[in-house]
Amino acid sequence: SQQGEEDPQALSIQEGENATMNCSYKTSINNLQWYRQNSGRGLVHLILIRSNEREKHSGRLRVTLDTSKKSSSLLITASRAADTASYFCATDASYSGAGSYQLTFGKGTKLSVIP
Amino acid sequence: EAEVAQSPRYKITEKSQAVAFWCDPISGHATLYWYRQILGQGPELLVQFQDESVVDDSQLPKDRFSAERLKGVDSTLKIQPAELGDSAMYLCASSLVPAGAYNEQFFGPGTRLTVL
Repeated sequence: SQQGEEDPQALSIQEGENATMNCSYKTSINNLQWYRQNSGRGLVHLILIRSNEREKHSGRLRVTLDTSKKSSSLLITASRAADTASYFCATDASYSGAGSYQLTFGKGTKLSVIP
Repeated sequence: EAEVAQSPRYKITEKSQAVAFWCDPISGHATLYWYRQILGQGPELLVQFQDESVVDDSQLPKDRFSAERLKGVDSTLKIQPAELGDSAMYLCASSLVPAGAYNEQFFGPGTRLTVL
């Protein structure tokens, strides 16, 4: 089952604009991660935010986390055509043994950046 | 830069046939994951290995799927017999340690399976 749900399902913007994607989840987490997937490829880790953090930056990416609302947002500033991809949030709510947590991915937001 | 290797990249098979996928994780990564991703969905975990041991295979359809990581390095995922509903992308990922608070996973390019 998928814990995180991204919103919107699809987003189309012009190059240079900002893109905001949201993720909601259901149970308590240790951390939340965002991944990017280019069409037909594997996923690439973008950023991880711990449950005791509220905001984190990495280059043009800004992630916020609100544990009281069980939600996170990913902001991509000054978007580029190369940012066109699907973006997934992943939470680690499920413990899978041996000190490891199972990552549960949402369905993703498909971002299209138009040159 | 070290990468997770997977082969084949694409596989077309007929239902009831057997298929196998191979994954070579980043050197030194103790934890290996197999995911299935249906088109338009996020990846769903099938099986997780810690070295050569299975940590979690609760989502693996064991009547037809099997996975092994005999020497704790590379891994093989097998489906026998394949069914139409198995058409999906099969992703392999690895991580350095089984961490509770930090678990960045590195993904391979995936194997796109089409069952006819």
